[in-house]
Formats: sequence, C-alpha cells, structure tokens
Amino acid sequence: NAGVTQTPKFRVLKTGQSMTLLCAQDMNHEYMYWYRQDPGMGLRLIHYSVGEGTTAKGEVPDGYNVSRLKKQNFLLGLESAAPSQTSVYFCATREGITYEQYFGPGTRLTVT
Amino acid sequence: QKEVEQDPGPLSVPEGAIVSLNCTYSNSAFQYFMWYRQYSRKGPELLMYTYSSGNKEDGRFTAQVDKSSKYISLFIRDSQPSDSATYLCAMSPNAGGTSYGKLTFGQGTILTVHP
Repeated sequence: NAGVTQTPKFRVLKTGQSMTLLCAQDMNHEYMYWYRQDPGMGLRLIHYSVGEGTTAKGEVPDGYNVSRLKKQNFLLGLESAAPSQTSVYFCATREGITYEQYFGPGTRLTVT
Repeated sequence: QKEVEQDPGPLSVPEGAIVSLNCTYSNSAFQYFMWYRQYSRKGPELLMYTYSSGNKEDGRFTAQVDKSSKYISLFIRDSQPSDSATYLCAMSPNAGGTSYGKLTFGQGTILTVHP
C-alpha cells in the first residue's frame, strides 16, 4: 500500500506558467483535500472533494482549480502561476466515517 | 483574527523535560480536537484526538480540551530528541455532516528536544 502519493515532489515555475499537481490514493477514501503550508500560517485548505466527480472551494481557492474524475486521483491546477503561490502543497484523504486525515509527502513549489 | 491561534515558538527544551503546547480558538462549534506531528519535509501525521472536553492519555502524550475557555493543550512527558518536530493543532465541528470533515489548523509550533 502506497497510501497517499504526490507528484511531483519539487517544481520551479516561472510567473505565468501553468502546472498540475497530482494526488493519488489507494485507500479507497471518499474525501480528498488540497492544502498549502506557508511559514507561520499553518495548513490552509484550498479545495476539497467529497467523492468522485465533486469539488468544492476551501479557505484559499483563488488561482487554483481542481478536478476529481477518478475516485483515486485529485488534481490541483495552477493556470497562471504567481510568486504568491510559492508554497508546500499537501494532499490529504479521509475515509468519511472517521475524523482522521491522511497526508501525502508534499510538493514543494517555487514560482519565480 | 484567526479562528485558531497557536504560538509558533520555536520551542527548545532539554531531553527529559515536560513540554506544553497550546492552542486557543474562537469557534464554539468545534467539537473534535486533534494534534498532528510533522517531521521536517514530511506530511503531518495524527498524534492525538479528543472529542469535546476532557483529557486523553497515550503513553508520554496527554491531550486536554477545555471548551469553556476555548483552549486545548498537548503535554509531552520525558521528551526525547525524536519528538523534535512541528506540532499542529487542528479542529472540526464534526467528523462528517455538512462540514465534510474539514479541519482548521493552528500555525504549528516548532519543537526541538536537545540531548
């Protein structure tokens, strides 16, 4: 069992470029979440999904889009990257009947 | 004002010390209270969880919730160098329902336990 995996692990983008972060899980969890972590800010929710084909906005959704076409994958897209999106991005999953969220290893993104 | 406030530290203690980590919150709807531990360059992992008010103990770790004061704590007894990590408090109104299990995190406290 790989649990929650994130691709890529690191990425450097130039302002205005686009990219997609992939989160994959093999635990058959219904709920998936995308967070960003910045120094002194803790984890902030970007978007989340309560099941295949669903997405919803979190606390800081601007500049990001998401899709969940398959239950096991949750994609986070940056259409036009900005330096303010330099962060560490974490994906998390939850079974649905419990409170615990399981986190991936993170993607470190730098936008120059 | 943030819904959840946590002193970011950093906190440095000698091995064997008792560590106290704290969070305050403003949303009285929070019912589930969690502590996550995050090692450097890793994802957070659930360490402790408490429902509503009260204490919970797990080995060297004790979690306390005081809903009347909107204050939660994590105590680490006989701290070890392996406890060096960032500790994040997290809260949710409920495990499911309309909150969809969304968590509100504190800023995280960086803890270093030196030998």
